[in-house]
Amino acid sequence: EPEVTQTPSHQVTQMGQEVILRCVPISNHLYFYWYRQILGQKVEFLVSFYNNEISEKSEIFDDQFSVERPDGSNFTLKIRSTKLEDSAMYFCASSENRGPGTSGYNEQFFGPGTRLTVL
Amino acid sequence: AQSVAQPEDQVNVAEGNPLTVKCTYSVSGNPYLFWYVQYPNRGLQFLLKYITGDNLVKGSYGFEAEFNKSQTSFHLKKPSALVSDSALYFCAVRRRGSYKLIFGSGTRLLVRP
Repeated sequence: EPEVTQTPSHQVTQMGQEVILRCVPISNHLYFYWYRQILGQKVEFLVSFYNNEISEKSEIFDDQFSVERPDGSNFTLKIRSTKLEDSAMYFCASSENRGPGTSGYNEQFFGPGTRLTVL
Repeated sequence: AQSVAQPEDQVNVAEGNPLTVKCTYSVSGNPYLFWYVQYPNRGLQFLLKYITGDNLVKGSYGFEAEFNKSQTSFHLKKPSALVSDSALYFCAVRRRGSYKLIFGSGTRLLVRP
């Protein structure tokens, strides 16, 4: 069964450093997402991405964050200057080609997550 | 504010007994509703969804969920629990016209032998 993969599984970085979290979505999916879960808190939406553009983002997703699909398979989340409060589990997800305005809706498939620790 | 509530941090049930994991939501319009399960060191795994139609939806591994519009609830059920069902369960909601899933805080299900 196809699945979303994420690398690395755990990333440790110093405050102020840039990090890039990587994801390989399911191959025929066209919508991509990032979520995060701070320890003890809810899973929170960060951003959705379709057709090489951000389609929706939350208030968390400020100028420190960016997303990119550098090639046909990878989807990345970059944090330019990490803060202590960025420590969290980051989940990538993908879904098929039916967007929210259509009558049907495809569920989002999640990767196993990258645990980011900012020291 | 739009939110999803899972009132129980943990649900304990004996193997073979029915289980219910509760979810209520406060989201405008007629949202789409989902249940996900998370096993240790794994991602969120889709279980089932309600889009429209029959209020009782069936999903993976024998799980089902009942949508109640008047109570804005979407409770997860299973007629006979297995020890292997022990995991963390998340309810999630998506407004029509949005890409964002809004998650509940999760409920840990513990099925004892």
